[in-house]
Amino acid sequence: DQQVKQNSPSLSVQEGRISILNCDYTNSMFDYFLWYKKYPAEGPTFLISISSIKDKNEDGRFTVFLNKSAKHLSLHIVPSQPGDSAVYFCAASPDVLFGNEKLTFGTGTRLTIIP
Amino acid sequence: DTGVSQNPRHKITKRGQNVTFRCDPISEHNRLYWYRQTLGQGPEFLTYFQNEAQLEKSRLLSDRFSAERPKGSFSTLEIQRTEQGDSAMYLCASSFPPFSGGKLNEQFFGPGTRLTVL
Repeated sequence: DQQVKQNSPSLSVQEGRISILNCDYTNSMFDYFLWYKKYPAEGPTFLISISSIKDKNEDGRFTVFLNKSAKHLSLHIVPSQPGDSAVYFCAASPDVLFGNEKLTFGTGTRLTIIP
Repeated sequence: DTGVSQNPRHKITKRGQNVTFRCDPISEHNRLYWYRQTLGQGPEFLTYFQNEAQLEKSRLLSDRFSAERPKGSFSTLEIQRTEQGDSAMYLCASSFPPFSGGKLNEQFFGPGTRLTVL
């Protein structure tokens, strides 16, 4: 069962415009959500995270929105730049201090920024 | 550079052979995780360590898989009698200990070891 879903395998956006990547989850125990970016032949790189006590977190051009009642989160990138072209993974875990913080990942969305 | 490193980066082996991968985490991290990623999927959790103690193993980790972290620093993942279905990218990640200013969930990944079983 896919507990974290990214229903768009790919997305193309014009340079300078906004990129919106979506993620849905089913497990109510998830309280902490992360976005990772992955280039070919590299491991995932942490981008931004959000705890369920918030509904928005910003870091420069990246903003993550969380709608806990809908079990939905989204990553906004504005303005989009060619270097943003990569595969983006949504991940989730329980927000615990001493438990197992294993991450459950979605299947990824390949973002292509068109110059 | 103090990132997570993994060796080898690529491994090609014949079915039935044993393989071993190594992960060196960020030095101040006491938690270490192994994930596996197959084509078109996101990383899937395999196991994790706190210092030298292996605290959880996924049901994905069959008896042919064993992971160790003998001194609480680097870790090894061994696959015995490899099968073609073991072909995947094996990712290692590490995270800060509690109350160190970082969040445990924010895991830092290495570049991975790509295994191909012929």
